[in-house]
Amino acid sequence: DAMVIQNPRYQVTQFGKPVTLSCSQTLNHNVMYWYQQKSSQAPKLLFHYYDKDFNNEADTPDNFQSRRPNTSFCFLDIRSPGLGDAAMYLCATGGDQPQHFGDGTRLSIL
Amino acid sequence: AQKVTQAQTEISVVEKEDVTLDCVYETRDTTYYLFWYKQPPSGELVFLIRRNSFDEQNEISGRYSWNFQKSTSSFNFTITASQVVDSAVYFCAYGSSNTGKLIFGQGTTLQVKP
Repeated sequence: DAMVIQNPRYQVTQFGKPVTLSCSQTLNHNVMYWYQQKSSQAPKLLFHYYDKDFNNEADTPDNFQSRRPNTSFCFLDIRSPGLGDAAMYLCATGGDQPQHFGDGTRLSIL
Repeated sequence: AQKVTQAQTEISVVEKEDVTLDCVYETRDTTYYLFWYKQPPSGELVFLIRRNSFDEQNEISGRYSWNFQKSTSSFNFTITASQVVDSAVYFCAYGSSNTGKLIFGQGTTLQVKP
């Protein structure tokens, strides 16, 4: 059974049109992470939540925001997507190591 | 700052050959974790192994084995008798024991030809 679920698997949006990606977990872990992975690159951490405490990486663009309404769900909001934001977005959770990853959402920008 | 280096960008082998993927890391932390993940063309990250910095025992799991050497800051991964299904990108990652954040190497693309 999937422990970290990301929806949708593929998302297409228009340049500048806000988009939200969702992630849920069944593990009841305190920590949830969002990673961005561009083509042929390694995943890169955008931010993470420890419970409701939000931790932003220093180089994460302001265009990216996140919400965590409860332990199970976490959302990634991209306010005005640009062509450079096309990537795979990976959600992960970990109350302890290792981190469990979802299957990712592949975002395309038209 | 921590850093993970996977010097091999691409490796191509013929089925049934053994192959070793190299990983070298840099850190000043005394406690940390090291990981290997597999990413097939479908894109999901598949967890393979986690190693605690205090545990330098080598590990074997089926055709997979890992050699962790703290003295050389290396955590190498060997696939024995490779199969076509092993074709994927393999990432080595460093995990902070404080925050749980992962820092990934650039990945090694492994192609196993029939």
